[in-house]
Amino acid sequence: EPEVTQTPSHQVTQMGQEVILRCVPISNHLYFYWYRQILGQKVEFLVSFYNNEISEKSEIFDDQFSVERPDGSNFTLKIRSTKLEDSAMYFCASSDRGALDEQYFGPGTRLTVT
Amino acid sequence: EDQVTQSPEALRLQEGESSSLNCSYTVSGLRGLFWYRQDPGKGPEFLFTLYSAGEEKEKERLKATLTKKESFLHITAPKPEDSATYLCAVQPFLNNNAGNMLTFGGGTRLMVKP
Repeated sequence: EPEVTQTPSHQVTQMGQEVILRCVPISNHLYFYWYRQILGQKVEFLVSFYNNEISEKSEIFDDQFSVERPDGSNFTLKIRSTKLEDSAMYFCASSDRGALDEQYFGPGTRLTVT
Repeated sequence: EDQVTQSPEALRLQEGESSSLNCSYTVSGLRGLFWYRQDPGKGPEFLFTLYSAGEEKEKERLKATLTKKESFLHITAPKPEDSATYLCAVQPFLNNNAGNMLTFGGGTRLMVKP
């Protein structure tokens, strides 16, 4: 069964450093998403991406964040200068048709900023 | 502002003891309501999508229903393997255009004892 994969599973970084979180969405999906979940809190939407551009973003997704689809299979989230409050589980998701279509989530990358 | 509230926060059941989880929502316009299961340290796993009031969907011991203000996830004769956090999410209309983002509730942590 096709699945979304994410690497690394755990990333530890120092405050102010840049991190890149990687995702391989399901191969025939066209819509890609990033969500985050701070420990003990709700899953929060960050950004959606379609046709090589951002289609929606939340208030959390400020200038420190960027997304890219560098090739036909990978989808990345970059945080330019990490802060302590960026520590969270980051989930990548993908869907086939966008609105009303189920989003399939990856296993997540746990980001720890020290 | 769109809001999703789930209750109870935690629920302990004996194996075979049926119960219901509640998801109350406030959105300017609902495109769809999604139920996910999340195991510890993992990404949300898709269960159901409900589109309109009165709709019901079933999968094994789970049945999801939808009204104009809330959704219920009914669990019939649960087993220990049903233990997980169950997440509800809404997909709202955004600025009169279709949006793909999901707004999640805080989840209900279900524990089923043998």
